[in-house]
Amino acid sequence: EPEVTQTPSHQVTQMGQEVILRCVPISNHLYFYWYRQILGQKVEFLVSFYNNEISEKSEIFDDQFSVERPDGSNFTLKIRSTKLEDSAMYFCASRGQGDYGYTFGSGTRLTVV
Amino acid sequence: DAKTTQPTSMDCAEGRAANLPCNHSTISGNEYVYWYRQIHSQGPQYIIHGLKNNETNEMASLIITEDRKSSTLILPHATLRDTAVYYCIVRVPLSGGYNKLIFGAGTRLAVHP
Repeated sequence: EPEVTQTPSHQVTQMGQEVILRCVPISNHLYFYWYRQILGQKVEFLVSFYNNEISEKSEIFDDQFSVERPDGSNFTLKIRSTKLEDSAMYFCASRGQGDYGYTFGSGTRLTVV
Repeated sequence: DAKTTQPTSMDCAEGRAANLPCNHSTISGNEYVYWYRQIHSQGPQYIIHGLKNNETNEMASLIITEDRKSSTLILPHATLRDTAVYYCIVRVPLSGGYNKLIFGAGTRLAVHP
């Protein structure tokens, strides 16, 4: 069964450093998403991406965040200057055309120290 | 905010059917109901979705009331591996045909021997 692949599975970074979280969506999917989940809290929508541009972003997705699909296969989330409160699981998801379920990756656990 | 309300937790005996209710009284005519589950901190896993009609797949059945204001997810023969948080989600359409999933707190289902 096709999978969404996320790397790394766990990243530890110092406060103020830039991080890039990587995702390989399912190959024929067109819509891409990032979500995050702070430990013990709800899964929160960050951003949706289609046709090489952001289609919607949440209040969490401020100027410190950016997304990119640099080469037609990878989908990345960059946090420019990490804060302690950015520590969370980050999930990438993708969706095909039509009314299909989103497929989520297994997540990257980001720990900011 | 999530447009659904679910019980915080439920128990089920192994081998019995688990019936997870969800209220979505403000759902609009073109909004789908999705069910996902999350085991520990893994990525959310798609279970099933529907618009008006009842749906069944290899994992579960989805019963949607005629007025669409509530639904029930049925796991016909629950196993210990079905212990997870189950999310009932009304998919939010965005402009341009995009959409996003907004997660609530979900129902923590515990399946016991």
